[in-house]
Amino acid sequence: AQKITQTQPGMFVQEKEAVTLDCTYDTSDPSYGLFWYKQPSSGEMIFLIYQGSYDQQNATEGRYSLNFQKARKSANLVISASQLGDSAMYFCAMREGYGNNRLAFGKGNQVVVIP
Amino acid sequence: DTEVTQTPKHLVMGMTNKKSLKCEQHMGHRAMYWYKQKAKKPPELMFVYSYEKLSINESVPSRFSPECPNSSLLNLHLHALQPEDSALYLCASSPGQANNEQFFGPGTRLTVL
Repeated sequence: AQKITQTQPGMFVQEKEAVTLDCTYDTSDPSYGLFWYKQPSSGEMIFLIYQGSYDQQNATEGRYSLNFQKARKSANLVISASQLGDSAMYFCAMREGYGNNRLAFGKGNQVVVIP
Repeated sequence: DTEVTQTPKHLVMGMTNKKSLKCEQHMGHRAMYWYKQKAKKPPELMFVYSYEKLSINESVPSRFSPECPNSSLLNLHLHALQPEDSALYLCASSPGQANNEQFFGPGTRLTVL
């Protein structure tokens, strides 16, 4: 079964608008971590934000926030005030359990920001 | 120093060649990773070194041979590769503790002719 599901097709976003990228996950482990990475066309995977399963509050990092809905097993990324440099592939990933080095990645969402 | 570096950035090799990819980090991280990524796909884990010992090998063919000479360096030795091995090879590191993000390098774009 797929651990991380990202189903949105490629998205076009107007500059300065907000965009929400969907991510749902599947795990029976009560301890897990959720990550979002950005990958521009240059190839480097850039860490954006992390949410732990026991975290009480939604994570935020600058223009990035994570809408964590534990009961729905959903961890959507919200990018506020989109910039042209936000054009990239975005991957949601999960680590299950404590001390586990494996990340399960979703298939990714392609975002293109248009002026 | 808060980055992971990888060399070379690009590599073209024939199927009979032997080459090596190099990855370096100076963040004191104790876990290092090799991933393979095909275009428009997520990264696929190949190997994990934890405290300089190979802890995960995702059934990778023996033509890929990892090496961790010390806690800062990770190599991937390549020999007798196939054209389908052409991909972006990403190295990553993490502190080694639970719930820490992995920091990725810029990758090496490998083409096997």
